[in-house]
Amino acid sequence: QKEVEQDPGPLSVPEGAIVSLNCTYSNSAFQYFMWYRQYSRKGPELLMYTYSSGNKEDGRFTAQVDKSSKYISLFIRDSQPSDSATYLCAMKAAGNKLTFGGGTRVLVKP
Amino acid sequence: SAVISQKPSRDICQRGTSLTIQCQVDSQVTMMFWYRQQPGQSLTLIATANQGSEATYESGFVIDKFPISRPNLTFSTLTVSNMSPEDSSIYLCSVAKSYNEQFFGPGTRLTVL
Repeated sequence: QKEVEQDPGPLSVPEGAIVSLNCTYSNSAFQYFMWYRQYSRKGPELLMYTYSSGNKEDGRFTAQVDKSSKYISLFIRDSQPSDSATYLCAMKAAGNKLTFGGGTRVLVKP
Repeated sequence: SAVISQKPSRDICQRGTSLTIQCQVDSQVTMMFWYRQQPGQSLTLIATANQGSEATYESGFVIDKFPISRPNLTFSTLTVSNMSPEDSSIYLCSVAKSYNEQFFGPGTRLTVL
């Protein structure tokens, strides 16, 4: 079993819809959680990070962490075609090693 | 954030040869990392590049196969040695600007024939 599980998608939504992305994890030592966006043939781009249970908002993006369920989510409001990309969750315990999910491919249709 | 460049952006190499990938950052950073992203898979940490000392390798990765240099706080190289088709992958350099912020370069797409 992988330490971090993420549905590969693809997830197809109409423009303006809410995109909902999830990751589950098994390692209770993970304390810090990140979301990255990766466009085709580009490096991952850090969107958000959080380290506490609850919600964190940044513009159209909301990150949610539930440590008791070992479950994290990313919501994208008012989705745009430019949001079409692969979204990667990543997490770490103490230290610097990031453990990534497999990524979810998102397609926002105009 | 950080501006990170990698050279080459892509290469096609023959089996048994070696390729050195360069990573340059626009500011001094303490922590630099090398990741691999195999086709259709997620990112896996190869090693942490330490300035002034040997790199720290993750389980499954060894120095003889992936030698790393870190001559200063803005530059690192990763060499993929004695390549086989299984080494075909995207290799990514990453830097930590703070404890929770790691930024990635554009990647080097390697194909081994």
